Amino acid sequence: DADVTQTPRNRITKTGKRIMLECSQTKGHDRMYWYRQDPGLGLRLIYYSFDVKDINKGEISDGYSVSRQAQAKFSLSLESAIPNQTALYFCATSDPREGADRTDTQYFGPGTRLTVL
Amino acid sequence: RKEVEQDPGPFNVPEGATVAFNCTYSNSASQSFFWYRQDCRKEPKLLMSVYSSGNEDGRFTAQLNRASQYISLLIRDSKLSDSATYLCVVNIFRQFYFGTGTSLTVIP
Repeated sequence: DADVTQTPRNRITKTGKRIMLECSQTKGHDRMYWYRQDPGLGLRLIYYSFDVKDINKGEISDGYSVSRQAQAKFSLSLESAIPNQTALYFCATSDPREGADRTDTQYFGPGTRLTVL
Repeated sequence: RKEVEQDPGPFNVPEGATVAFNCTYSNSASQSFFWYRQDCRKEPKLLMSVYSSGNEDGRFTAQLNRASQYISLLIRDSKLSDSATYLCVVNIFRQFYFGTGTSLTVIP
């Protein structure tokens, strides 16, 4: 089973609808992230959380909100979706205590492809 | 100005060739550096971290030049399976910044 899962994998919705993207992880990591990827723009950080009580805005948080329901779950919401939120969304986890070099490697989920019409 | 800049390519190289990618970053306070690989429509996966002393993992060599604020990745003896997009990533004050990626196609 995958360590980081995202649901749904694909979603088509209409302008103005509320959408929630969910992320779950079994890696036991405290740190979780939400990114969006657009052609020509790369991955951009939306929100990140270093534990259940720690939520931080990233580079492009406007129009998005998040909820960290538990260590293993981090949800991204679009309260009123708009067409320019059409993108590929990735969830990621990390733990700086892992690895010989402790350089905080990120592990990504498979992505959610969201289309807003 | 973007935090991380990469040449998007594409790089089309024959099997067995050596290819090098460069990346520059704008914030001198950047703390850690990585190369990730992303296959088409898939999630990024860590290829290697990058250290100031340079590091090697098989056919892959990464270098960091803090004075010039650039990072490089060298791939020797390219394989067809190396075809992917390579993302340069920098960690600055708890946030990760990604370059737009460099596309590599290895041709038989």
